Formats: sequence, structure tokens, C-alpha cells
Amino acid sequence: QLQESGPGLVKPSETLSLTCTISGGSFSTFYWSWIRRPPGKGLEWIGYINATGRTIYNPSLRSRVMISVDTSRNQFSLKLSSVAAADTAIYYCAKHNYGGNSVFDHWGQGTPVTVSS
Amino acid sequence: QSVLTQPPSVSGTPGQRVTISCSGGRSNIGLNYVYWYQQLPGKAPKVVISTNDQRPSGVPDRFSGSSSGTSASLAISGLRSEDEADYHCAVWDDRLTGWVFGGGTKLTVL
Repeated sequence: QLQESGPGLVKPSETLSLTCTISGGSFSTFYWSWIRRPPGKGLEWIGYINATGRTIYNPSLRSRVMISVDTSRNQFSLKLSSVAAADTAIYYCAKHNYGGNSVFDHWGQGTPVTVSS
Repeated sequence: QSVLTQPPSVSGTPGQRVTISCSGGRSNIGLNYVYWYQQLPGKAPKVVISTNDQRPSGVPDRFSGSSSGTSASLAISGLRSEDEADYHCAVWDDRLTGWVFGGGTKLTVL
């Protein structure tokens, strides 16, 4: 199971921070992504990390994104800096077996984040 | 604007067959597998088609997928009210080195 956690409200220009906790399975050998869905829009992949800490980010967000992992806690985290209203979305964490060409087979329930002063 | 193009909405009556298209390019659909996700209101996405045309365990055989060239499609036959959801196509893009999604298609069962 995957569970997202973090503040539901972030002020413009500040940093959004979310954590995904994995339970009931091994953290290693898999890949872990952050994906979001803004209101009225489709899904957008933010980036992924694997257990060794290798990351790949969406080119459109790369300058503002950092994904990190804490294997001792079975957690991985998202930091998105300089947020604006366009970053308002439901944020999901998801598991997949490989970086590309593999299904997102487990998802968290999603956590809503609103960017507003 | 999404890298993959889907129709914003499709509709059908119970028992009908509907198809949802996903148009991409040579660096994504032209080279890699397409995945389809169903998202019910207020829920996380769930895969209904994997690697272009494979149904995961538990997905009814009313769902089918295909891919050719730079386009893919999801077909749902024998439409049921519980199929009403948003459907998203997803594929790895070799040029962007990342996952890309379509804009999502809202399926309404009339």
C-alpha cells in the first residue's frame, strides 16, 4: 500500500513537500513516481526515483523538482519549489517495476494540494 | 497541452461499444508500450490495459486495446453504467526521457 501525506495548502512562491509511505512490500528493486492531476485536466508525470536514488524528472518541471528516498523508513518524498496556482492538483505516488515501459500497478489514494495565499 | 491527444469526451448507451483514441508520435507510441488507466470519480487511477493490449487480472474482457504506428485505442464493449469514468493513455517517451499522458477522456454512459 502507498499513502501520501503533507500539507493541503501551500502559499505561492513557497515549496510544496509531500511524502509517500510504502507498507506491505519491499522498497528495493522497484521504481517510485509522483504523478499529479490538476482540476479539469489530465494526469501529469512529475518524476521517479528508484531505491538506489536514481532520479528522472519531467523536463517541464525539472528546474523546480527534487525527489528523494529514505529506504530505512520505506518512504520517498517530493519537493516542488516556487509553486504557483498552476501547481494546484491532486498528487499521487505510484509504483512501477522499471523506469519506462512498465505499468503503474499500485497507486496511493492521492492527496489534494491547493496553492493559495 | 498534452503530448498525447485524446478526445475530451465520448458517450454511449448501455450495451454499446465505444472507442477512445490516443494519438502520439514516433518517440512515444511509435516505440513503446501504451497503458490505459481508468479513473473513477474521487479514486486513484487503475490500469485496465497494459503493454498495448493485455488485460490485467480482474479486468473484464469487455475492455480491449490496440496500437499501430503512432496511435492507440481503447475499446469498451457491452457498455455498463459502472464504466463511467475518466480514461487516460500513458506511454514512455524516448525523446523527452519521461512518461507522457493524454489529456484524459470522460466516458459518459447515457
